[in-house]
Amino acid sequence: AQSVTQLDSQVPVFEEAPVELRCNYSSSVSVYLFWYVQYPNQGLQLLLKYLSGSTLVESINGFEAEFNKSQTSFHLRKPSVHISDTAEYFCAVSDRNNDMRFGAGTRLTVKP
Amino acid sequence: NAGVTQTPKFQVLKTGQSMTLQCAQDMNHEYMSWYRQDPGMGLRLIHYSVGAGITDQGEVPNGYNVSRSTTEDFPLRLLSAAPSQTSVYFCASSSNRGPYEQYFGPGTRLTVT
Repeated sequence: AQSVTQLDSQVPVFEEAPVELRCNYSSSVSVYLFWYVQYPNQGLQLLLKYLSGSTLVESINGFEAEFNKSQTSFHLRKPSVHISDTAEYFCAVSDRNNDMRFGAGTRLTVKP
Repeated sequence: NAGVTQTPKFQVLKTGQSMTLQCAQDMNHEYMSWYRQDPGMGLRLIHYSVGAGITDQGEVPNGYNVSRSTTEDFPLRLLSAAPSQTSVYFCASSSNRGPYEQYFGPGTRLTVT
């Protein structure tokens, strides 16, 4: 089965600074890649996804992630973060059988 | 559409008690799953179902049972609660026809004393 490693458990950053949340995956088959966000005391919401085609995918609130097949990575980036981006972010990988595996999560804290 | 709904939102059980966590979806999704979320461990798959009448085990199935009698509902049963089952439980659903993104319910916070 596939697996996901999120390389940072916590990322503190100042408001308006850039941020990168790192995600590596392993799989022997073709996969789909996802980033989910979880705000305090809420469920998970899809932030963005890579299915096929362009390796750079974007969300509506300024995040982007790039699929790098050779490095088996799907890092999440934002050029300028806001206080409201404070949340936990989960990278996930799924195969065509809907078997989705999650990383341990990265807690992003944006400080004023 | 309500999406994925879960009840209850909070529950406290004593060791040895049993209970059922309810999950329903109104998106006609074939695939449904249950995860538990524990600090530092992300989400771990408990059980899943690819359609009515079909269920299978995930990574951490011990102590839990599921059934899928309808497309809409996927209840999770704790047979004899243990403190190790203290966690936040999420139900999710997705289409079997792609693109396989999962839609999550709001979660149930369970404490076993």
